[in-house]
Amino acid sequence: EAGVAQSPRYKIIEKRQSVAFWCNPISGHATLYWYQQILGQGPKLLIQFQNNGVVDDSQLPKDRFSAERLKGVDSTLKIQPAKLEDSAVYLCASSLGGRSYNEQFFGPGTRLTVL
Amino acid sequence: AQRVTQPEKLLSVFKGAPVELKCNYSYSGSPELFWYVQYSRQRLQLLLRHISRESIKGFTADLNKGETSFHLKKPFAQEEDSAMYYCALGTGNTPLVFGKGTRLSVIA
Repeated sequence: EAGVAQSPRYKIIEKRQSVAFWCNPISGHATLYWYQQILGQGPKLLIQFQNNGVVDDSQLPKDRFSAERLKGVDSTLKIQPAKLEDSAVYLCASSLGGRSYNEQFFGPGTRLTVL
Repeated sequence: AQRVTQPEKLLSVFKGAPVELKCNYSYSGSPELFWYVQYSRQRLQLLLRHISRESIKGFTADLNKGETSFHLKKPFAQEEDSAMYYCALGTGNTPLVFGKGTRLSVIA
């Protein structure tokens, strides 16, 4: 089966600019996750969707980050305006269900550099 | 709050030597523990989970609730085991919490 797709793979922007990332999950996966992985750290959940509804966005910096999953399939994550500390790899993952025992399938990630 | 600690950033072993990647967690309830692995130029992927009690690629991990640990072990390391390993903690309805990861380097 096709895996989780993400684009772009790399992005370099200056601080205060905006950026958007796109994710296409595995077909049939109801749950979609966005993670931020800063260099030297493990992935940190930003937001979890179940179909097109938000399950958890407690760690999403809502003053600058936003995400949507229209029609319960693809998702976009936006940062506006970006800060230097947003430099990280942004991972999208999907799973059949939203319980922690459901295996998560990860995309290749988008490496963001904010100058 | 749930927490996962992987005390080693880097672990180097010789090919054929035993490997143990340490993971300790902080959670008072019934945890769900996982090991995820990322090989060079590949995606992060699930290696094993404690509820399955399975051995994948020769790796095993036993949940020790008394010591709150879930160490990953393999009796004989292979060069292809070189990768980044992340321990993760789940509690059912809450998001997975990942450790900072341990880079395993198997030296030929």
